[in-house]
Amino acid sequence: AQSVTQPDARVTVSEGASLQLRCKYSYSATPYLFWYVQYPRQGLQLLLKYYSGDPVVQGVNSFEAEFSKSNSSFHLQKASVHWSDSAVYFCALSRGYGSSGNKLIFGIGTLLSVKP
Amino acid sequence: EAAVTQSPRSKVAVTGGKVTLSCHQTNNHDYMYWYRQDTGHGLRLIHYSYVADSTEKGDIPDGYKASRPSQENFSLILELASLSQTAVYFCASRDNSAETLYFGSGTRLTVL
Repeated sequence: AQSVTQPDARVTVSEGASLQLRCKYSYSATPYLFWYVQYPRQGLQLLLKYYSGDPVVQGVNSFEAEFSKSNSSFHLQKASVHWSDSAVYFCALSRGYGSSGNKLIFGIGTLLSVKP
Repeated sequence: EAAVTQSPRSKVAVTGGKVTLSCHQTNNHDYMYWYRQDTGHGLRLIHYSYVADSTEKGDIPDGYKASRPSQENFSLILELASLSQTAVYFCASRDNSAETLYFGSGTRLTVL
């Protein structure tokens, strides 16, 4: 069965520190993977996505993620976090590209708190 | 910019009552989705639609109906609301040439 696991429910880092949010997936076919961010009292917004090619993908706001087929992972990284990065981050996997509806499976989310 | 608007922003309902959550998009997108968000579960797909007057079941459709009367509007209906349906509900849209979902700001539903 397809699944997305975010092992860290909560991560706290200091402003200016580097960040890695972990995501592991289980899917028999080639995955389409996403990271979304949810700021307080808002809907989710796309940070970045991976379909194929270069395993390191760049996203908005200097976020990047690295796909690893051997580790079944898609970790999100940022070199230097800002207090405004405090939010909930969701990793997601697409089960039906194109006409099948792009039904996403979401992880439970990781709450990132950035200390000033 | 893509826009998905949900109403109401929050709602308190009584057990056994009928609840309708509304979603309106101005993106001219074909696909629309309803997700619910619960602590410890992330977002789970309830219903979706790829064309007006047609809806499809998602992963957790029981206790919910959906209606897509036009391309712009997609409603989620709880005929007999239950305590277990207390959650935050998100609507999203997507055009069929891209994979990005555009989410509304959510509706916080409390069933008492």
